[in-house]
Amino acid sequence: DAGITQSPRHKVTETGTPVTLRCHQTENHRYMYWYRQDPGHGLRLIHYSYGVKDTDKGEVSDGYSVSRSKTEDFLLTLESATSSQTSVYFCAISDGAAETQYFGPGTRLLVL
Amino acid sequence: QQQVKQSPQSLIVQKGGISIINCAYENTAFDYFPWYQQFPGKGPALLIAIRPDVSEKKEGRFTISFNKSAKQFSLHIMDSQPGDSATYFCAASGTGSARQLTFGSGTQLTVLP
Repeated sequence: DAGITQSPRHKVTETGTPVTLRCHQTENHRYMYWYRQDPGHGLRLIHYSYGVKDTDKGEVSDGYSVSRSKTEDFLLTLESATSSQTSVYFCAISDGAAETQYFGPGTRLLVL
Repeated sequence: QQQVKQSPQSLIVQKGGISIINCAYENTAFDYFPWYQQFPGKGPALLIAIRPDVSEKKEGRFTISFNKSAKQFSLHIMDSQPGDSATYFCAASGTGSARQLTFGSGTQLTVLP
């Protein structure tokens, strides 16, 4: 998975609790992305980062925040998890020039 | 708003047959069209990609056909094998610093032995 790890790989949480997912890369790529994958919707972009402390919203950003304090780490936070945020979350990285995005192994999140 | 429409949702093909998955896009600013392959429990992986300056790109058994005027592109898998059974996603991106990808909804391909 191109030097990308995601943690945790599985998580069960309750509605209303905060959740943070971590993406760590060893490729020194500039761009990092968070997607969610749901049946019938493919992958939808939540937030992305184009450098340390530089982030922007994607298509489905409501209820999510991100932070990137180091090149290698991109955190996705659900401030108050809801059942609609039950999904599989994928992190991806890109060096920009090649355009190819490399995906991590995913985190399966269940919000009860 | 779904900017990339993918069909069919599922596809069953006999071993040795041809698998064809179609995508249509709306945004004429898109200039990069990749296909990703995803196996259960794994992240998507780039399979093949094309730019609109060519009408076809072939890599082994996988071919992308691109029709710019119709705003459509398709993936052809020749001599389909059971190991090709996976979910396939088309995607598109345009100019912009982050090269955001817009994905189709996916096609679950099953190749019967």
